[in-house]
This record gives sequence, C-alpha cells and structure tokens, in this order.
Amino acid sequence: QKEVEQNSGPLSVPEGAIASLNCTYSDRGSQSFFWYRQYSGKSPELIMSIYSNGDKEDGRFTAQLNKASQYVSLLIRDSQPSDSATYLCAVNRGNTPLVFGKGTRLSVIA
Amino acid sequence: DTAVSQTPKYLVTQMGNDKSIKCEQNLGHDTMYWYKQDSKKFLKIMFSYNNKELIINETVPNRFSPKSPDKAHLNLHINSLELGDSAVYFCASTLRDRPIYGYTFGSGTRLTVV
Repeated sequence: QKEVEQNSGPLSVPEGAIASLNCTYSDRGSQSFFWYRQYSGKSPELIMSIYSNGDKEDGRFTAQLNKASQYVSLLIRDSQPSDSATYLCAVNRGNTPLVFGKGTRLSVIA
Repeated sequence: DTAVSQTPKYLVTQMGNDKSIKCEQNLGHDTMYWYKQDSKKFLKIMFSYNNKELIINETVPNRFSPKSPDKAHLNLHINSLELGDSAVYFCASTLRDRPIYGYTFGSGTRLTVV
C-alpha cells in the first residue's frame, strides 16, 4: 500500500516567518513529487514539483527532496495570511496516478 | 476560459437515486481522473482514463461507472446513491508524457446524499 504521510496540523506561524511543511512517502520507487495548495472550498492548485534530490526554489517557495530518507518538504518564506490553506503532498511513480497525503493545515497569524 | 470544468458544482439528492457528474477540459490533455475527497480532506483516486480508455480502476463499488466519450470529457455516473457517497468529487487532467506539469483540477462537485 503506497502511503504519503503528513502532519495534519494546524501549523501556526506568525506573519513574515518561515513555514516548514513535511511529508514522507512509503514507495521507494517514487519519482515525481508535488506540493498542492487547497483553500477551503476550492480545488487543489499546483505550487511546486520536484524530481531530483536537493532544493528547488520558486519565489517564496522552496521544495526539498531527499530520496534516501523518503522525505520531501516545502518551505514558505515571508509567510503571509493569504498563505493560510491546506498543503497537500503528492507523489507518483511513472504514469501512475498521484497519491496524496491528507494535508497539513497552515495558519499564518497577522 | 475555464481549463477543467465540472458540472454541477453542488448536488443534493436522496438515497437510492442515480446521478451524473460531468467534466470537460480544454487543455489538450490526454489523461483524466476522478478523485474523491472525504470530509477529512483525503483525496483518493477512483478512475484514470488515457485517450478515453480506462487504465486505472481503484477499489470502487460498481455503482460508480465512468464514461469518456472523447479525451476531453470524462463523466461519472453513480447508481443507488448511499449516505457514504457524500463527498467532493474532483476531476483532474494531465499530459501523460509530461508528468512535470502535474494535474489541473476542476472546481469540484460537492455531493450530499440525504
């Protein structure tokens, strides 16, 4: 059974701080890793994708991947109240459907 | 222009009824999916279609029957609705040979069975 684990939160951070979201996965053959953001009542939207070990930066977002530890994380710098949402980690192998974690609820306090 | 559109957005119906949800994408994608999101926000794959051919059918009751008339459309018909079917159903699409792009999701259909 392929699983993706996330701490459900809520994770509360003050405005301007760095939010750190973590995800572990069970399928060692996983090849693609994604972070989605989902606002309440809305659909998931893709924030970042990463395939290689190391860091990938896009604006205030940095995704980090460590395949040996089966661990992927998302850092949000200079957190804003508008970043308050549920963050979903998703992984897949080849063309198999994405397997999602249950999400971490982030709350950025102004 | 909406990239992945689902109808209806809300659906309230009684137990035992049959209902359908429609999905259309105008992104030129060749692979479409149905996901179910329960009350705890867990997104679970139900079906996957590539070029209107079923390629993944997870453990879903056979009361659920997907249909893809062409690669831009994927519909979901549900027979004999049960209380446990209440959830948000998301359609998603992607290009099979471009996994780096991830999936684009529709706005979801909130199904409530009473």
